[in-house]
Amino acid sequence: AQSVSQHNHHVILSEAASLELGCNYSYGGTVNLFWYVQYPGQHLQLLLKYFSGDPLVKGIKGFEAEFIKSKFSFNLRKPSVQWSDTAEYFCAVNSYTDKLIFGTGTRLQVFP
Amino acid sequence: EPEVTQTPSHQVTQMGQEVILRCVPISNHLYFYWYRQILGQKVEFLVSFYNNEISEKSEIFDDQFSVERPDGSNFTLKIRSTKLEDSAMYFCASRLGLAGEMDTQYFGPGTRLTVL
Repeated sequence: AQSVSQHNHHVILSEAASLELGCNYSYGGTVNLFWYVQYPGQHLQLLLKYFSGDPLVKGIKGFEAEFIKSKFSFNLRKPSVQWSDTAEYFCAVNSYTDKLIFGTGTRLQVFP
Repeated sequence: EPEVTQTPSHQVTQMGQEVILRCVPISNHLYFYWYRQILGQKVEFLVSFYNNEISEKSEIFDDQFSVERPDGSNFTLKIRSTKLEDSAMYFCASRLGLAGEMDTQYFGPGTRLTVL
């Protein structure tokens, strides 16, 4: 069965620090990859997605992610975080069907 | 920007009671979904719905659950006889699905269901 692993459960950073959140998936076929963000009290919003093409994907709010097929990874990065990036981040994947398989989420806290 | 909306935001019910969670997907979307997140756990897929029928359902989606699109705008999830373990945040999602493309699912704000 497909699964998604997010290794960092809780990350605490100061503003301007760089961020990298890990995501690994377990399916060997063609996959579509997503990062969603959930700000406190708000709904899940799409940060970025990868379907095909350039494995380096740029999303909203300065986030990017790199798909490395050989490592089954889709890590999320941001060079300089802001206090407003405090949120929960979810990696998700789908493949031969459209159901999304989510990771457990990473809670990011950014302190001024 | 169009959004998926859900009502109510919080539903409290007694064990054994029926609940109906309501969702209004984005108006021109064709594919609809329900997911749930038990506190402290992953977001889990429940069911997908297209062309007025269930496309796929998970093991969680047993006979106690049903979905319906009663009119052109609403998409509902019914739990016939709630159990304590049904307490969770329930998210509705929709996607456009042009020409069968695998595009983005847009999520609603969720309904927090508490079963006492």
